[in-house]
Amino acid sequence: GAVVSQHPSRVICKSGTSVKIECRSLDFQATTMFWYRQFPKKSLMLMATSNEGSKATYEQGVEKDKFLINHASLTLSTLTVTSAQPEDSSFYICSARGQAGGRRTGELFFGEGSRLTVL
Amino acid sequence: DAKTTQPPSMDCAEGRAANLPCNHSTISGNEYVYWYRQIHSQGPQYIIHGLKNNETNEMASLIITEDRKSSTLILPHATLRDTAVYYCIVRVIGAGGTSYGKLTFGQGTILTVHP
Repeated sequence: GAVVSQHPSRVICKSGTSVKIECRSLDFQATTMFWYRQFPKKSLMLMATSNEGSKATYEQGVEKDKFLINHASLTLSTLTVTSAQPEDSSFYICSARGQAGGRRTGELFFGEGSRLTVL
Repeated sequence: DAKTTQPPSMDCAEGRAANLPCNHSTISGNEYVYWYRQIHSQGPQYIIHGLKNNETNEMASLIITEDRKSSTLILPHATLRDTAVYYCIVRVIGAGGTSYGKLTFGQGTILTVHP
């Protein structure tokens, strides 16, 4: 079964609203989570690396004020798309890395993805 | 992480073996070869990984050349549900099984399994 869960799987919102996507590791503690976005027929593009208890590290070209990432616990990271615009419509995917020495050490598991549509 | 090169698309008949190649000529000695696949509108799914020896699990086999500059993922009996984008990625794994950093995805190979 799934070991990383994302919620919601689909969301439609109006321009200007903020949308929060959750990523949870279900049976292990994840010190690091990664957020990707994917456009239709394109590959996954890494947006940011989220470490529990510290600020996220964003990839070049990703606006940190637009895509707020919080990793407050070892099982939950959230991505908030602020003041969403139609060009933010995309498929957002998280992955979680197991804590060293713990259950599922080191391996990366992916969530099911969240499809955001901004009208 | 080393760059990989994969053919953009491949076809395979249902029930036959699907052999997906990957070139990673700049791979370093401490980099593993990973394969993931992504079925439409889902998150990537781990398939298999290896360092230099051939590997097999319930999903697939991984054949790595002796010089480690290329590898082949083999789905022994492809089904329609194996239609997906297959990504070959090389990455470092640290001591104790911990892995370093992010996975960088290339364009992958679109495998289409037809009846």
